Amino acid sequence: GESVGLHLPTLSVQEGDNSIINCAYSNSASDYFIWYKQESGKGPQFIIDIRSNMDKRQGQRVTVLLNKTVKHLSLQIAATQPGDSAVYFCAPNAGGTSYGKLTFGQGTILTVHP
Amino acid sequence: DAGVTQSPTHLIKTRGQHVTLRCSPISGHKSVSWYQQVLGQGPQFIFQYYEKEERGRGNFPDRFSARQFPNYSSELNVNALLLGDSALYLCASSWDRGDTEAFFGQGTRLTVV
Repeated sequence: GESVGLHLPTLSVQEGDNSIINCAYSNSASDYFIWYKQESGKGPQFIIDIRSNMDKRQGQRVTVLLNKTVKHLSLQIAATQPGDSAVYFCAPNAGGTSYGKLTFGQGTILTVHP
Repeated sequence: DAGVTQSPTHLIKTRGQHVTLRCSPISGHKSVSWYQQVLGQGPQFIFQYYEKEERGRGNFPDRFSARQFPNYSSELNVNALLLGDSALYLCASSWDRGDTEAFFGQGTRLTVV
């Protein structure tokens, strides 16, 4: 079955540093990917998405890189702030006819120290 | 504009009971998906509904069922509750059934005792 894993389950950075969160996925049929941020007691918050016809997409302070060859994504957060502390999930779609079905890994805990 | 709203926010039920969770999608969104998030894990897909029809189902037992109403709101029903059903139940809405931005609600925290 689909599996989504993260290279670093926890990441601790200083305020102002850049953060990189990695994600490996196993389903080669996945062609749409979303990054979510989840704070304690809240639902996942949409950060940025990318489709398989792109290898990079930038948002406000965030950049997502996609390497389909090795089935790997990364989320880069520039000038990390304490408010960025949360659990981050990458969620590939299931691909094929499984429209809208997202597959989540266990997440990476990002802790930003002032 | 209001985001995805879920009710109730917290719920305590006894084993064997039945529960109904409710979700109102973002205005204009026609697709609603349900996810179960056990503590310490990522959300797991349960159902997707689009235009009032089930469009996808995850690996959950038949005790789990859902429906979508003409106004695109949705209910998730769980029968014969087990202790292992204790989790955060999340609803996500998107404007289409396909691969578009999906926005989550705050979730319903269900505790089965």
